[in-house]
Amino acid sequence: EAGVAQSPRYKIIEKRQSVAFWCNPISGHATLYWYQQILGQGPKLLIQFQNNGVVDDSQLPKDRFSAERLKGVDSTLKIQPAKLEDSAVYLCASSFSAEAFFGQGTRLTVV
Amino acid sequence: QKEVEQNSGPLSVPEGAIASLNCTYSDRGSQSFFWYRQYSGKSPELIMSIYSNGDKEDGRFTAQLNKASQYVSLLIRDSQPSDSATYLCAFRSNDYKLSFGAGTTVTVRA
Repeated sequence: EAGVAQSPRYKIIEKRQSVAFWCNPISGHATLYWYQQILGQGPKLLIQFQNNGVVDDSQLPKDRFSAERLKGVDSTLKIQPAKLEDSAVYLCASSFSAEAFFGQGTRLTVV
Repeated sequence: QKEVEQNSGPLSVPEGAIASLNCTYSDRGSQSFFWYRQYSGKSPELIMSIYSNGDKEDGRFTAQLNKASQYVSLLIRDSQPSDSATYLCAFRSNDYKLSFGAGTTVTVRA
């Protein structure tokens, strides 16, 4: 069974630029999560989808971050404009029931 | 109050010893609890799930859950250098939100 796919693996951008991350969850997994993990910290939930509906986006900085999940499968997370403090690993995870499985993540560096 | 609190690290144990990791959570309605292992530069990997009070064993790992005390722990028996990693505690609340602790870094000394 294929795992959660994310791209790109690495991205370096200048502050105020925009960036987008893509996630393809495990087939059949209705729940999709986007997390931000800053070095030395635990993953912080940004947004959670159930199929293509948003379950929780309370910690998503909506002035600069946006996310969508079209047709309840793939998802994209966008940052516009990026700030230096957005430098982090962005993790996508999916679950069918309770257990969630992570993709490899995208390491974003904002300079 | 943080949703998930883990014992602060780092934790250093000699090879062959038992590593003990602790976690407390604030949401009494939580039903699902997890331990993830994260190697440096890698993404979290699920190693244990526990849903009911008591112990659950899987190889050298034992998870313990006490819902009354809102406490979950992970024991790593016969610790190996390959167990050196950050261990993340997580719980799933009734609204299906999956929350993580800050993690405890374990180093196993050969």
